[in-house]
Amino acid sequence: DARVTQTPRHKVTEMGQEVTMRCQPILGHNTVFWYRQTMMQGLELLAYFRNRAPLDDSGMPKDRFSAEMPDATLATLKIQPSEPRDSAVYFCASGLGGVGVGTQYFGPGTRLLVL
Amino acid sequence: GENVEQHPSTLSVQEGDSAVIKCTYSDSASNYFPWYKQELGKRPQLIIDIRSNVGEKKDQRIAVTLNKTAKHFSLHITETQPEDSAVYFCAASKSSGDKLTFGTGTRLAVRP
Repeated sequence: DARVTQTPRHKVTEMGQEVTMRCQPILGHNTVFWYRQTMMQGLELLAYFRNRAPLDDSGMPKDRFSAEMPDATLATLKIQPSEPRDSAVYFCASGLGGVGVGTQYFGPGTRLLVL
Repeated sequence: GENVEQHPSTLSVQEGDSAVIKCTYSDSASNYFPWYKQELGKRPQLIIDIRSNVGEKKDQRIAVTLNKTAKHFSLHITETQPEDSAVYFCAASKSSGDKLTFGTGTRLAVRP
């Protein structure tokens, strides 16, 4: 049963520190999404990639957030410097891009707390 | 961009009764509509999805209906059980591999 994996599962850090979250998509999936979930904003799309190329990062605060796919098996989301308002659960999801194929499968999430 | 509205925000039903959650979307180009169930502290999990070339899809106790003209779709859960208690999210996108716009979620509580 293939699943999206994310590390770390939990992260507590102090304001100003750098945070890196990692995601391993399901093997063969060509599209990777990063979402943020908070009580106030619900599930928000931050960025997504297809075949490792960024397609849309309009939901991401560019001054402090960055997302990359160094290779097809790894996606990273970095926050530098982190702020208390970044506290949330960050989900990665993967799927097969293209009309009529696949859907998105979510990883377990990284629960981030910035003090 | 796409906007998805979801109602109700909370729903409480007696075990064995039916539950209905409704969503509307704004972009007529959207043609893929998945529903996710999220239990407390867990990941959202796909429970059913529908594409715009069909009006209804059923999987055991769960069904989804789609009205493209009115731009709304609904989730129906029959014979509810306590393990159905969770937050349910609807979503819409232009294709199943494209970015999803989520509704705000419905917290369903099934009373034993």
